[in-house]
Amino acid sequence: GQNIDQPTEMTATEGAIVQINCTYQTSGFNGLFWYQQHAGEAPTFLSYNVLDGLEEKGRFSSFLSRSKGYSYLLLKELQMKDSASYLCAPPRGNYGQNFVFGPGTRLSVLP
Amino acid sequence: KAGVTQTPRYLIKTRGQQVTLSCSPISGHRSVSWYQQTPGQGLQFLFEYFSETQRNKGNFPGRFSGRQFSNSRSEMNVSTLELGDSALYLCASSSGQAQETQYFGPGTRLLVL
Repeated sequence: GQNIDQPTEMTATEGAIVQINCTYQTSGFNGLFWYQQHAGEAPTFLSYNVLDGLEEKGRFSSFLSRSKGYSYLLLKELQMKDSASYLCAPPRGNYGQNFVFGPGTRLSVLP
Repeated sequence: KAGVTQTPRYLIKTRGQQVTLSCSPISGHRSVSWYQQTPGQGLQFLFEYFSETQRNKGNFPGRFSGRQFSNSRSEMNVSTLELGDSALYLCASSSGQAQETQYFGPGTRLLVL
């Protein structure tokens, strides 16, 4: 919704690296979130980028370019448990809140 | 700290009925947001309450309403239910500051027959 684009589905092999892209209409606000949602469960917080650049957090990294309205989530050393949907939430709202989520990318990790 | 709780977890209603869902935020959190999630539309923002006031609103019809109590617990009401209201309803709590992480509850799965 609201001009946020993510690939619908991706497939990768256990142990591989995968990059999930998110493009959005810029709003002048900072801050983009990534959430992970396993099937039948609630979304859980993965990462937050407030400024441009790469944020690394273990096997997961997230990159943001505010001027280009572009972010990606990089998952390394994929495990079966990483099979889930990944949702990006760029800043929206009157004060740049992150209430609008992308459509989500469903990642399947194969053995 | 206890997480976000939602009740009931599952609900079956018929068209035309109304339903009230409840959400208890993480202790100390003053913001509660509500979302509708369906396979076709993804995660859609309904509204946000902060200190008992609706602070942000999504693009849903007036049949969807909510309120927040002084203890930050929130309820969401849907009147005159339609088949298309069948969805997972999620609430999320946060401190209420801009760009703060939201913590989601397990959701209420509503089926309208």
